[in-house]
Amino acid sequence: EPEVTQTPSHQVTQMGQEVILRCVPISNHLYFYWYRQILGQKVEFLVSFYNNEISEKSEIFDDQFSVERPDGSNFTLKIRSTKLEDSAMYFCASSEALRAGGQFFGPGTRLTVL
Amino acid sequence: TQLLEQSPQFLSIQEGENLTVYCNSSSVFSSLQWYRQEPGEGPVLLVTVVTGGEVKKLKRLTFQFGDARKDSSLHITAAQPGDTGLYLCARRGTGANNLFFGTGTRLTVIP
Repeated sequence: EPEVTQTPSHQVTQMGQEVILRCVPISNHLYFYWYRQILGQKVEFLVSFYNNEISEKSEIFDDQFSVERPDGSNFTLKIRSTKLEDSAMYFCASSEALRAGGQFFGPGTRLTVL
Repeated sequence: TQLLEQSPQFLSIQEGENLTVYCNSSSVFSSLQWYRQEPGEGPVLLVTVVTGGEVKKLKRLTFQFGDARKDSSLHITAAQPGDTGLYLCARRGTGANNLFFGTGTRLTVIP
């Protein structure tokens, strides 16, 4: 069964460093998303991406964040200068359609900022 | 309001028992998804409900969407230890492209 994959599974970085989290969405899906989940809290939307551009973003997704689809399969989230409060699980998701259909989540990358 | 209230927050039951968990909002949903999340993993989509009054079954899991599309329930029959996990409901957020999640019900099924 097709699935969303994410690498790395765990990333440890120093505050102020740049990190890139990588995702391979399901191949026939057109909509891509990033969410984060701080330990013990709700899953929160960061950004959605369609047709090679951001279609929607939350207030969490500030200028420190960017997304890119560098080729036909990868979808990346870059955090330019990490802060302690960026420590969280970051989930990539993809969906085939926009309305009604569910989103399929990857296993997540646990980001720890020291 | 975007609030999605899930109840109960925690539920611990014996294997073989039945249970129901709830997802409620004061506003109407266009659609609702149920997910299950295990520790250290991403949410796994269980079902999407769209039509008011809709009932969907997935083996021992029965999902119901309220007639007014403001609430939903998940009923598990004869719970198994493998059902243990965090059950999340999610609805479309403020825009069309994002999901807004509830706080979840953490279920533990004791063998």
